Amino acid sequence: GAGVSQSPSNKVTEKGKDVELRCDPISGHTALYWYRQRLGQGLEFLIYFQGNSAPDKSGLPSDRFSAERTGESVSTLTIQRTQQEDSAVYLCASSSHRGGSSTDTQYFGPGTRLTVL
Amino acid sequence: DQQVKQNSPSLSVQEGRISILNCDYTNSMFDYFLWYKKYPAEGPTFLISISSIKDKNEDGRFTVFLNKSAKHLSLHIVPSQPGDSAVYFCAASARGSQGNLIFGKGTKLSVKP
Repeated sequence: GAGVSQSPSNKVTEKGKDVELRCDPISGHTALYWYRQRLGQGLEFLIYFQGNSAPDKSGLPSDRFSAERTGESVSTLTIQRTQQEDSAVYLCASSSHRGGSSTDTQYFGPGTRLTVL
Repeated sequence: DQQVKQNSPSLSVQEGRISILNCDYTNSMFDYFLWYKKYPAEGPTFLISISSIKDKNEDGRFTVFLNKSAKHLSLHIVPSQPGDSAVYFCAASARGSQGNLIFGKGTKLSVKP
């Protein structure tokens, strides 16, 4: 079946503009994660959705970042008033994780490369 | 404060030889460890994992070893192949967490023919 897809694959924006990134998880996966990878760094956890539960937003770096997910489907990550330090690859992952266990494999999308000029 | 550390940014190995990638962690609450492989312009791909109740897990050419007392794990690839050339990320998740992974910075493996 189809894997995790993300769009756009690349986004170039000007400082101060808002951007919206999209993630389509694997069908049936209840858990969805957003990560960010800055140049030369590892992946940095941003936010986690599990079914209809309140999301875990503990990784969001500032209030300019927000994310939504409709049920167990598409998620969008929004960055308002982008700054140059927001430049990174934004990765989405999904898993069949149903809570209470940390051991479900996460499957990643190809990422969106965001460049803020 | 890095909780997962991959101290070697790069590693070069001859085809057919063993590749050993190392990872250290500091958080004693971590109970599940994973290795992901990443090619340029692609998302990370799950490779192999190990639970803290084990000290070894093997899958074909890939073996992960966990030394809990040293808070150290390693990935062995035997024999190494040119197609294994990629960036390898070590990741961990903590007991009681929602499964969000803490990643190391990665090690770039180059396997030379």
